[in-house]
Amino acid sequence: AQSVTQLGSHVSVSEGALVLLRCNYSSSVPPYLFWYVQYPNQGLQLLLKYTSAATLVKGINGFEAEFKKSETSFHLTKPSAHMSDAAEYFCAVSRSRSASKIIFGSGTRLSIRP
Amino acid sequence: GAVVSQHPSWVICKSGTSVKIECRSLDFQATTMFWYRQFPKQSLMLMATSNEGSKATYEQGVEKDKFLINHASLTLSTLTVTSAHPEDSSFYICSALTGENTGELFFGEGSRLTVL
Repeated sequence: AQSVTQLGSHVSVSEGALVLLRCNYSSSVPPYLFWYVQYPNQGLQLLLKYTSAATLVKGINGFEAEFKKSETSFHLTKPSAHMSDAAEYFCAVSRSRSASKIIFGSGTRLSIRP
Repeated sequence: GAVVSQHPSWVICKSGTSVKIECRSLDFQATTMFWYRQFPKQSLMLMATSNEGSKATYEQGVEKDKFLINHASLTLSTLTVTSAHPEDSSFYICSALTGENTGELFFGEGSRLTVL
């Protein structure tokens, strides 16, 4: 079975500060891991994904995530937060590269303080 | 990236009526689409996998007679909420695969259903 746990349902940072959203996974097979962003009343947009190539994955909008097998983690970071980053972020895991049958974490709402 | 469109974005209906939500892949063919349900401030829960030309595969606990899914073409899947009740009010999101094994997953904008 696969699952992801996102620590912290709400994270608030100041504009320009480091963003760190935590995600830990559980998987009996090598996982494919994803981060998605959801703006209010919209669908999900893929930020980045880990598919067993490089452990440090760079995504859109300046986000990146590092796959750490020893810690079963895939935390999302961004060096400097922007007001437009305020949204809901979902970590997800799948058995397949294509993300079919994807399993989502509970989500973390990111707020940016001026 | 590929575009997946849902219609309608918002729908309000009376209890007991049926509502159809469409999910279209606009610039690619999708043999597989997925339907999710999202409650306020919660994550997405997979409801069913929609396969073109065959019956949908429902997740455990999802009533197939309540949530009818039809994938009649390679670009269209529909979700019909039959005899809707207030507890069916939710945000419904679809996604589509551009390919079976190495394709990408793209999401629609979501459809908010409110049942009065």
